[in-house]
Amino acid sequence: DAGVTQSPTHLIKTRGQQVTLRCSPKSGHDTVSWYQQALGQGPQFIFQYYEEEERQRGNFPDRFSGHQFPNYSSELNVNALLLGDSALYLCASNWGSGANVLTFGAGSRLTVL
Amino acid sequence: DQQVKQNSPSLSVQEGRISILNCDYTNSMFDYFLWYKKYPAEGPTFLISISSIKDKNEDGRFTVFLNKSAKHLSLHIVPSQPGDSAVYFCAASLLTTSGTYKYIFGTGTRLKVLA
Repeated sequence: DAGVTQSPTHLIKTRGQQVTLRCSPKSGHDTVSWYQQALGQGPQFIFQYYEEEERQRGNFPDRFSGHQFPNYSSELNVNALLLGDSALYLCASNWGSGANVLTFGAGSRLTVL
Repeated sequence: DQQVKQNSPSLSVQEGRISILNCDYTNSMFDYFLWYKKYPAEGPTFLISISSIKDKNEDGRFTVFLNKSAKHLSLHIVPSQPGDSAVYFCAASLLTTSGTYKYIFGTGTRLKVLA
């Protein structure tokens, strides 16, 4: 049973470019959340997708956008990259309603030069 | 506004002794609390959780205590082992108006267990 898979694992971009990160949730999970973890910090909530809709959003600018597909997989898009966007981007999945355990992927390490 | 705080960025403990990691929160609407462990180059992995209606949950060497009046929870690891060396994150969840749960994480505590 595959857990949460993310791609790519590492990538390097330059300021102003755009990036797309991908996530496949754990089998049986239908909700996907994205987090940004800067060096030395805890995961910061970006947004959550459920039933192909953005349900919650953290304090991130509109440059951060996402999508969820009918198979529950998800994408995170970041436009007009800034140096400060350099971080580990974590995808987590869980089962819709009810408080339950988030399962995380290994993350995508983004470096913006 | 950091609603979940881990005020100790690091902790060193001798192998075999008890490790106590602390977490404070400010929002009384949180109803579920979790601890995650993170090794370098890996995503956080779930360790143990507790519902707000309980004050203790135990799983092997790991015990989480919840003090709602103080808005404080702690993770006890007994006995500590070198393999426990990792960054530990406290997280709290609350039900949102959209009907889903939102999870908020603390900044983490780096535990080092000395052999």
